[in-house]
Amino acid sequence: GQNIDQPTEMTATEGAIVQINCTYQTSGFNGLFWYQQHAGEAPTFLSYNVLDGLEEKGRFSSFLSRSKGYSYLLLKELQMKDSASYLCATSRGGSYIPTFGRGTSLIVHP
Amino acid sequence: DAGVIQSPRHEVTEMGQEVTLRCKPISGHDYLFWYRQTMMRGLELLIYFNNNVPIDDSGMPEDRFSAKMPNASFSTLKIQPSEPRDSAVYFCASRFGTANYGYTFGSGTRLTVV
Repeated sequence: GQNIDQPTEMTATEGAIVQINCTYQTSGFNGLFWYQQHAGEAPTFLSYNVLDGLEEKGRFSSFLSRSKGYSYLLLKELQMKDSASYLCATSRGGSYIPTFGRGTSLIVHP
Repeated sequence: DAGVIQSPRHEVTEMGQEVTLRCKPISGHDYLFWYRQTMMRGLELLIYFNNNVPIDDSGMPEDRFSAKMPNASFSTLKIQPSEPRDSAVYFCASRFGTANYGYTFGSGTRLTVV
């Protein structure tokens, strides 16, 4: 089965850095996705980690530790438009089909 | 590319009525997925197709739900009869192959059953 845990809500200040954590227990784990979802919109793909370590993509970075069942999404130089829900999702086997956590609602204030 | 197209965007129906949600995947994509999103349960996979064939429907809540994909450019999700607990946002998504870059979601259908 798959069990994914992430905080329900976080707040941060514009221009700051925020780290959104995700822990998982996924049998047959092969990778971890992060998606961004603005209110009333569809989720959009941010990253996919297979190997341990940090992957940087502009202001966003994603980290994975397979041995610890842990990932985080790091957002730098926060902007108001980053206010959204961030969904952690794991995949298993060779399907690359994500099973989603409940998401973390990030509120960025001035 | 117009992306994944879903219709309708909003649907309000009375309990007991049949509801049909529609999806047009991105041209050339061979996988199609139906998800349901609620506050309580988050984003759940209902069923997915590969080359128009249903592969895994273990997420379909019960027999009231059915999905079809008659061709590569069209899929439907039907609920009959609908119940208030079916109220949710239903997303369709598609992708090409077993890509590890995720997939493209449609804008979703917000279903309200009263």
